[in-house]
Amino acid sequence: QSVLTQPPSVSGAPGQRVTISCTGSSSNIGAGYDVHWYQHLPGTAPKLLIYGNTNRPSGVPDRFSGSKSAISASLAITGLQAEDEAEYYCQSYDSSLSGSVFGGGTKLTVL
Amino acid sequence: EVQLVESGGGLVQPGGSLRLSCAASGFTFSSKAMSWVRQAPGKGLEWVSGISAGGVSTPYADSVKGRFTISRDNSKNTLYLQLNSLRAGDTAIYYCAKVDYGDFLDGAFDVWGQGTRVTVSS
Repeated sequence: QSVLTQPPSVSGAPGQRVTISCTGSSSNIGAGYDVHWYQHLPGTAPKLLIYGNTNRPSGVPDRFSGSKSAISASLAITGLQAEDEAEYYCQSYDSSLSGSVFGGGTKLTVL
Repeated sequence: EVQLVESGGGLVQPGGSLRLSCAASGFTFSSKAMSWVRQAPGKGLEWVSGISAGGVSTPYADSVKGRFTISRDNSKNTLYLQLNSLRAGDTAIYYCAKVDYGDFLDGAFDVWGQGTRVTVSS
């Protein structure tokens, strides 16, 4: 069981908007540590999508956005495209574990 | 171009050892914290260990503490992970990642290598 909880799967039709939640606790997200999001396609290296809760690295489309509130964070993807079909992970730091933690991952299916 | 290239993976028997390497290029390696992250077959990403820029701070996941050792050679721009007392549960693709956009503790992993596969089996 992951320290950060994500839904196992989400789906949406092309052009639609989907959100992926990431729920933590008072020792990680709730303690004020930043949340980061990654996109992972099979057989490739994970790709950083959002850093510091809401920021996009250069080259990441503005269809991807992040937010954070209390003990949870969310990744929103608008204008869904077939190429967005992938596994998405949230990540933060946990002070009780004294290390980084990932969510269990969410499989996005574009219908 | 910023690049990380892992090597050293392979097939090893339970109880055996391996040393993974990660060659860095395209950035000032000595000024960046680094981490190792793994993905077991059919599972999600799992943080394994991290190391500060100077190599002084080296936290580990509980699952590998006492068996794995992270280190770096800033003169060779190389990150290492020594894997001892390997178990079947350590079978995974091991990625090295550069830490940025924050401090050593809660920074993001902004650049990843392609990974090296470790299989622990008799």
